[in-house]
Amino acid sequence: DQQVKQNSPSLSVQEGRISILNCDYTNSMFDYFLWYKKYPAEGPTFLISISSIKDKNEDGRFTVFLNKSAKHLSLHIVPSQPGDSAVYFCAASAREYGNKLVFGAGTILRVKS
Amino acid sequence: DSGVTQTPKHLITATGQRVTLRCSPRSGDLSVYWYQQSLDQGLQFLIQYYNGEERAKGNILERFSAQQFPDLHSELNLSSLELGDSALYFCASSVGSSSKYNEQFFGPGTRLTVL
Repeated sequence: DQQVKQNSPSLSVQEGRISILNCDYTNSMFDYFLWYKKYPAEGPTFLISISSIKDKNEDGRFTVFLNKSAKHLSLHIVPSQPGDSAVYFCAASAREYGNKLVFGAGTILRVKS
Repeated sequence: DSGVTQTPKHLITATGQRVTLRCSPRSGDLSVYWYQQSLDQGLQFLIQYYNGEERAKGNILERFSAQQFPDLHSELNLSSLELGDSALYFCASSVGSSSKYNEQFFGPGTRLTVL
């Protein structure tokens, strides 16, 4: 039962352009959403998060948008840089479930210079 | 560097054996989470401890157990190992258990290979 889905296994973007990574969820109990970036042989690195009471959160080049009615969130990276090339995981949590993270399968982002 | 440390980095063992993975959370964090990342299952939550007490369980096998000690470090014990237990095991920590802000910070992981 995949409660968090990242339907695009990979995305290729030109340096300087916008990268948009998408994530869908099915469980309406989720109240907190996070994006993590992961390089090979390293642990996931926290990028940005958003509470279910907001629809947008911005941190530098990273912006996360949440559409609760559609159960959809997206991560925008502007401008994309070659160092952004990594696997991006969407994760969701709910206080009712003890705040454990439920992860999507990940999207491989390649930023071409 | 997330501030979460895990040892060992790599572990190679045989089927039927028992291993212990160790995690030290970030300074000040009371919650520790364990996750397993295998090729076919992605990142899966195993178990959570908060200030020494078990708080939540995921799809953790009965052969696996964990504990959190008074100094807040945690150990994940895997016994009667099978080939399918080969995976990356990550530890993460956060400030609280039910805090509204639940950014979890991950360690570098332990790669377990069962031969």
